[in-house]
Amino acid sequence: DVVMTQSPFSLPVTLGQPASISCRSSQSLVHSDGNTYLNWFQQRPGQSPRRLIYKVSNRDSGVPDRFSGSGSGTDFTLKISRVEAEDVGVYYCMQGTHWPPLTFGGGTKVEIK
Amino acid sequence: QVQLLQSGAEVKKPGSSVKVSCKTSGGTFSNYAISWVRQAPGQGLEWMGVIIPLFGTATYAQKFQGRVTITTDESTSTAYMELSSLISEDTAIYYCARDGSSWLNYWGQGTLVIVSS
Repeated sequence: DVVMTQSPFSLPVTLGQPASISCRSSQSLVHSDGNTYLNWFQQRPGQSPRRLIYKVSNRDSGVPDRFSGSGSGTDFTLKISRVEAEDVGVYYCMQGTHWPPLTFGGGTKVEIK
Repeated sequence: QVQLLQSGAEVKKPGSSVKVSCKTSGGTFSNYAISWVRQAPGQGLEWMGVIIPLFGTATYAQKFQGRVTITTDESTSTAYMELSSLISEDTAIYYCARDGSSWLNYWGQGTLVIVSS
């Protein structure tokens, strides 16, 4: 199974400041069809996960443009340009290239300083 | 607008089974894969398996092989996940999630399953 490793585990951020979360996979996530199936999810306290980004850098409908995804191969990053109070929660990366199974990172908890 | 509505919380005895439903609305039910993902208390996300209603066959994570069954009822646009031989470590919130543009686009509200004697 592909192992997804996220860092940091916890990320205290000042409101209005940027935040960056790293996600590394144990093998390249480039699929034979040319796509890279790397998604990012946000889970606010007490809520279901919500997908933010799919295939590395595509923002889902309704997701603020302060969220952006980048990366390639085995190294990926989710960036929040200016953190707002509503961004508090846990963020997960997930790979869907080498399945089964789909595998998730361990999560990064974003909190306000 | 795609919505996934899951069945209510369950309390089960060890060794029993639980069946969780996920009724979808919006979009064409048959064409999109539906996965089941669980989250133990205070833990991360764990994928259990997936089904594409059009094809009717499910694929499961090896960890759950032999214990999980995912099915669909196209007449009601509903997916089901049944987990058998429950143990206390199966206590979790179980989510269904439907694909859209790529994996796990839309999520249900979650179903809490508590396994306790």
